[in-house]
Amino acid sequence: EAQVTQNPRYLITVTGKKLTVTCSQNMNHEYMSWYRQDPGLGLRQIYYSMNVEVTDKGDVPEGYKVSRKEKRNFPLILESPSPNQTSLYFCASSGDTGELFFGEGSRLTVL
Amino acid sequence: AQSVTQPDIHITVSEGASLELRCNYSYGATPYLFWYVQSPGQGLQLLLKYFSGDTLVQGIKGFEAEFKRSQSSFNLRKPSVHWSDAAEYFCAVGTGNQFYFGTGTSLTVIP
Repeated sequence: EAQVTQNPRYLITVTGKKLTVTCSQNMNHEYMSWYRQDPGLGLRQIYYSMNVEVTDKGDVPEGYKVSRKEKRNFPLILESPSPNQTSLYFCASSGDTGELFFGEGSRLTVL
Repeated sequence: AQSVTQPDIHITVSEGASLELRCNYSYGATPYLFWYVQSPGQGLQLLLKYFSGDTLVQGIKGFEAEFKRSQSSFNLRKPSVHWSDAAEYFCAVGTGNQFYFGTGTSLTVIP
C-alpha cells in the first residue's frame, strides 16, 4: 500500500530535549516536505526537499533541521524544542502526479 | 508573495443542501490548485486538483471545483451534502517546489 509513515504519532517532551520525528514514503517520490498545523493558521511549510541531499527552507524553518540522505526518508529534527513548537506536524511527499500525499500526523507537545 | 485565502472559517449546512466553499489565491503565474479534506484526527486527503485545461474539475466524493482566473478563485462545490462530509477543508496552491495552504474551512452538517 502506498503510504507516508510518520513516527511517533504522539509525543510529549520537555524544553531543550532533542527529538526527531521520522518520515518514510514507499512511493519513490522525489519531493518531500514537512508542515506544521496550528489552529487558525492552516498548514505552514517548514522545510522541503526536491531530491536526495537537496533541502530548502519553507516559511517557518526556525528551530528545525532536516536531512535527506535517502530518497524514502526525510526526518524532522528539533535540536532544542521550545513550547512554541507544540503543534501537529505532517510529512508529505509528491511525485509525477503533482499532489501531496500526507502522513497521518505527529502531535507534539513541548512542556 | 503567494497566499491562499479561505474567507469562511466555519460553515454549517443541512444534510442534502448544496455547498460552496470559497478559495482565493495570490500567485503571479498559473498555479497548481488543490482541495484537501481533513477528518478529525486524520491526515489530509486530496479531493481534487487543477493543473490546466478544463476549468471545472471533478473530484472524489461528488465534489467539484471551478478555476476562475479572472477572480483568482478556486471554489469547491457539492450539490448535496452528506453527514459524512463534516470535516475541515483546505485549499492549496502549488508553485513547483512549495505549497501554500489556506487556513481552512470547518464544515458542520446538521440533520
